[in-house]
Amino acid sequence: GQQVMQIPQYQHVQEGEDFTTYCNSSTTLSNIQWYKQRPGGHPVFLIQLVKSGEVKKQKRLTFQFGEAKKNSSLHITATQTTDVGTYFCAEMNTGFQKLVFGTGTRLLVSP
Amino acid sequence: KAGVTQTPRYLIKTRGQQVTLSCSPISGHRSVSWYQQTPGQGLQFLFEYFSETQRNKGNFPGRFSGRQFSNSRSEMNVSTLELGDSALYLCASSAGRDEQYFGPGTRLTVT
Repeated sequence: GQQVMQIPQYQHVQEGEDFTTYCNSSTTLSNIQWYKQRPGGHPVFLIQLVKSGEVKKQKRLTFQFGEAKKNSSLHITATQTTDVGTYFCAEMNTGFQKLVFGTGTRLLVSP
Repeated sequence: KAGVTQTPRYLIKTRGQQVTLSCSPISGHRSVSWYQQTPGQGLQFLFEYFSETQRNKGNFPGRFSGRQFSNSRSEMNVSTLELGDSALYLCASSAGRDEQYFGPGTRLTVT
């Protein structure tokens, strides 16, 4: 079946450093969504990308969808302690509201 | 609008028992999806309901079942609980577009 892998599994950075997580699929993705889950919390939707090569920015966060639509990345510039959490990519099967989640990247930011 | 609510928030059960979890979606949302989150398997799709009909089911045994009521509230049931069913169970509601809104989850511990 479809597998969506994320690397790294875990990253610990100092506040102010940049951070990137990569999402790779064995199959072509129809779309990619990104979610953030704070420790003890629940996933919160960040963004959706649909087009090949699409790039979207939200303040310090930059999201990219690969040209072949098999990979995606989330880059955070100048991390802050509020960025702590696990970041998941996911493909949405829009016909049935089914999300297939990636393995997640846990980010720890030290002040 | 109030967010997605789930009850109970925490539950401790014994192997062999059954459990029922409840989810109230955001007002006006007709789609409710359920996910299981464990450290080992990550976030996995259980099933999705729309207008009281199950439209899609994940790869889980028949011990996992659910239903949706006419007011869009949903329940999931797990019968003959096993130790491996210990997990965070999340429900998410959607208005039919792509973004899903997650509830806080029910933390189930099976002893």
